[in-house]
Amino acid sequence: KQEVTQIPAALSVPEGENLVLNCSFTDSAIYNLQWFRQDPGKGLTSLLLIQSSQREQTSGRLNASLDKSSGRSTLYIAASQPGDSATYLCAVRPTGNQFYFGTGTSLTVIP
Amino acid sequence: NAGVTQTPKFRVLKTGQSMTLLCAQDMNHEYMYWYRQDPGMGLRLIHYSVGEGTTAKGEVPDGYNVSRLKKQNFLLGLESAAPSQTSVYFCASRRGKTHLAQETQYFGPGTRLLVL
Repeated sequence: KQEVTQIPAALSVPEGENLVLNCSFTDSAIYNLQWFRQDPGKGLTSLLLIQSSQREQTSGRLNASLDKSSGRSTLYIAASQPGDSATYLCAVRPTGNQFYFGTGTSLTVIP
Repeated sequence: NAGVTQTPKFRVLKTGQSMTLLCAQDMNHEYMYWYRQDPGMGLRLIHYSVGEGTTAKGEVPDGYNVSRLKKQNFLLGLESAAPSQTSVYFCASRRGKTHLAQETQYFGPGTRLLVL
């Protein structure tokens, strides 16, 4: 069974700082990996999806990388803002139809 | 285009009662999912469907049943609610059957269920 781990569980940074969130998974046989944002009391919003054949994806201030062989992905957030405060989750999709989620990193950006 | 909607938003049940959670999507997606989210445990898959009339078990299916009679709707049933089923339930959907590696999951806003 695929296990997904996100470290740290919580992170607090001052506004303007660049930061990296980590996601690791145990089985490298995946179709894709997806990063989500979840605001308190809300559903998940997709941020970036990286296909297994890709190394990275970018959207605005966000950049996600994937190293399948080592079972790792990172989400880089540039010039953090208070509005970036949320929980960030990663999910991997192995070769079937199921997705496996990490427990998330709770990010607080201090003004 | 409402995306994925869930009904109800919040519900309180007594142990042993039954209820049905409704998920609806207007994106013509083939695949639909039901997850539960508990503190410290992330999202866990309960059941999923790869098309109208089909369902399959996920990671934590016990105590739940599902039905997909219409493509746009995916129902999650609790036959006899237990306190351990207190959780936040999320529905998700994705296009399916094409461009397998490129498909994004879209989530509903969640249903908070408290079982006393």
